[in-house]
Amino acid sequence: SYELTQPPSVSVSPGQTARITCSGDALPKQYAYWYQQKPGQAPVLVIYKDSERPSGIPERFSGSSSGTTVTLTISGVQAEDEADYYCQSADSSGIVVFGGGTKLTVL
Amino acid sequence: QVTLRESGPALVKPTQTLTLTCTFSGFSLSTSGMCVSWIRQPPGKALEWLALIDWDDDKYYSTSLKTRLTISKDTSKNQVVLTMTNMDPVDTATYYCARKETYYDAFDIWGQGTMVTVSS
Repeated sequence: SYELTQPPSVSVSPGQTARITCSGDALPKQYAYWYQQKPGQAPVLVIYKDSERPSGIPERFSGSSSGTTVTLTISGVQAEDEADYYCQSADSSGIVVFGGGTKLTVL
Repeated sequence: QVTLRESGPALVKPTQTLTLTCTFSGFSLSTSGMCVSWIRQPPGKALEWLALIDWDDDKYYSTSLKTRLTISKDTSKNQVVLTMTNMDPVDTATYYCARKETYYDAFDIWGQGTMVTVSS
């Protein structure tokens, strides 16, 4: 079955840039999406279609794609950005898949 | 304003069938491109996609769970129902429903989730 691979954890200091990667064989052909989840809360969409930002999401959140890897970049990380981040995509038959999640720690 | 709300039993016994209802407002599941999905999250673990139903009544299921899942919709009641058979303690999780539509092509609005514990 199709899988998306994320690093379990990423740590950055406030004001630095955090980069969270997500790898999957179908990513060159399928869009990726990113969700932020804080403890006890439902996920929130922060990036759609690889690099688009929904309204209301701060400009410091951006997404990019290169080959089989997509990257969520958070520039000028703030304490409030500490959360779990999940990538999501789908295979060609419409089966949805989530990555294993990355815990972002703001030091 | 778009909202979704999950409802169902908080506790089920092993081997029982779980029935969850997602009641939504602010959109219609008869609108072209509109979908509702179920996603779960065991305590301390990652999100796991379960099933999706679209405006045209097409249904998609997790490969690993498809033999146990059934998703259906009642457009007149603005509800989507998920049944999962043969529940096991490993199915203990928070179950979310979420909307997917054509603009974002992503799960843009989520319910708050409902916690289901499987225990005898």
